[in-house]
Amino acid sequence: DIVMTQTPLSLSVTPGQPASISCKSSQSLLYSDGKSYLYWYLQKPGQPPHLLIYEASNRFSGVPDRFSGSGSGTDFTLKISRVEAEDVGVYFCMQSIQLPWTFGQGTKVEIK
Amino acid sequence: EVQLVESGGGLVQPGGSLRLSCVASGFDFSSFWMSWIRQAPGKGLEWVANIKEDGSEKYYVDSVKGRFIISRDNAKNSLYLQMGSLRGEDTAVYYCVRGGTDHWGQGTQVTVSS
Repeated sequence: DIVMTQTPLSLSVTPGQPASISCKSSQSLLYSDGKSYLYWYLQKPGQPPHLLIYEASNRFSGVPDRFSGSGSGTDFTLKISRVEAEDVGVYFCMQSIQLPWTFGQGTKVEIK
Repeated sequence: EVQLVESGGGLVQPGGSLRLSCVASGFDFSSFWMSWIRQAPGKGLEWVANIKEDGSEKYYVDSVKGRFIISRDNAKNSLYLQMGSLRGEDTAVYYCVRGGTDHWGQGTQVTVSS
């Protein structure tokens, strides 16, 4: 199984400041079609996860442009350019290049 | 608007069975792979099973193989998860997910306990 490792596991950020989360996979997520099958989700308290970024760098519909994804192969990053209070929750990365699909442990983001 | 509504969760004894359902609306259900993903209390996320658009291909995480069956009825816009030989470690919120990625239901709680 592909192991997904997120760092850090928790993050405390001042509103308006940037934040960055890393996700590393134990195998390359780059498929022959040139896409990296890496997704980023945010799970707000008491809610299901919702998709932020698909295929490593594509912002999902309705996601604010302060969220961006980058990376390829085995190293990926989610960046929030200016954190807002509504961004609190747990962020997960997920790979879907190989079954079983696997998730990172989650990064809990809180506001200072 | 895409909507996924799960039902069928509850409290069941170890070794028991349960059938989860998910009714989809707001999109062409028959054109999408569908997935079940679960989240144990205070834990991370675990993909459970996938099913192809026409139901011809199904995949499972090793821990549920031989115990769970994923199925769908495209005429009813519905996804199912038949769960058998349930164990304590199956206790989780079970989410119905379109394509396994982009839209998630609110989830249904399954608790396996005596």
